[in-house]
Amino acid sequence: QQQVKQSPQSLIVQKGGISIINCAYENTAFDYFPWYQQFPGKGPALLIAIRPDVSEKKEGRFTISFNKSAKQFSLHIMDSQPGDSATYFCAASRVAYGNKLVFGAGTILRVKS
Amino acid sequence: DSGVTQTPKHLITATGQRVTLRCSPRSGDLSVYWYQQSLDQGLQFLIHYYNGEERAKGNILERFSAQQFPDLHSELNLSSLELGDSALYFCASSVGALWDTEAFFGQGTRLTVV
Repeated sequence: QQQVKQSPQSLIVQKGGISIINCAYENTAFDYFPWYQQFPGKGPALLIAIRPDVSEKKEGRFTISFNKSAKQFSLHIMDSQPGDSATYFCAASRVAYGNKLVFGAGTILRVKS
Repeated sequence: DSGVTQTPKHLITATGQRVTLRCSPRSGDLSVYWYQQSLDQGLQFLIHYYNGEERAKGNILERFSAQQFPDLHSELNLSSLELGDSALYFCASSVGALWDTEAFFGQGTRLTVV
């Protein structure tokens, strides 16, 4: 029940295209859903996060869509750029437990120029 | 640069040995989190300290222990090492202990057990 399932494992997108990564969770007690971006040799970095009281959050080219009833959330990267090539992790936690995060398995995104 | 410093960057050691990984959080951050990243298990939460006290434990083995010192730096001790302990170990820090303070990750310590 602690798992967060992420798909796809890898994704290749043309420059300017839309990258979409999906996650699903089981534990309905989760109420904080961040996305992290990780470049080779670096630690994960927070990209964008959402609470379940909203269905969508947008920051620049990055948008999280959240479907509470389906227990799913997704990351959309609009106008994908080669510099977006990285590994993306979805995660979930409970507000009371702060950054005790349960991570998805990760998606390796490659944006072709 | 996240401001979180982890040392050493790389560590190679033999099975059965003990190692200590060190983390210096960002200035002003009271929380330190430890995570393990391996190919088969992904990123897994190990333990959380806030202002010197243990706040939460995750999938941390009994052979592993951690502590946060009065100057807020933290150490993760791994003992009786096994081949399967080879992984990247990340430390993250945040100002507070709740979800609304962003956690910043260090660059990690790559541990190789041979």
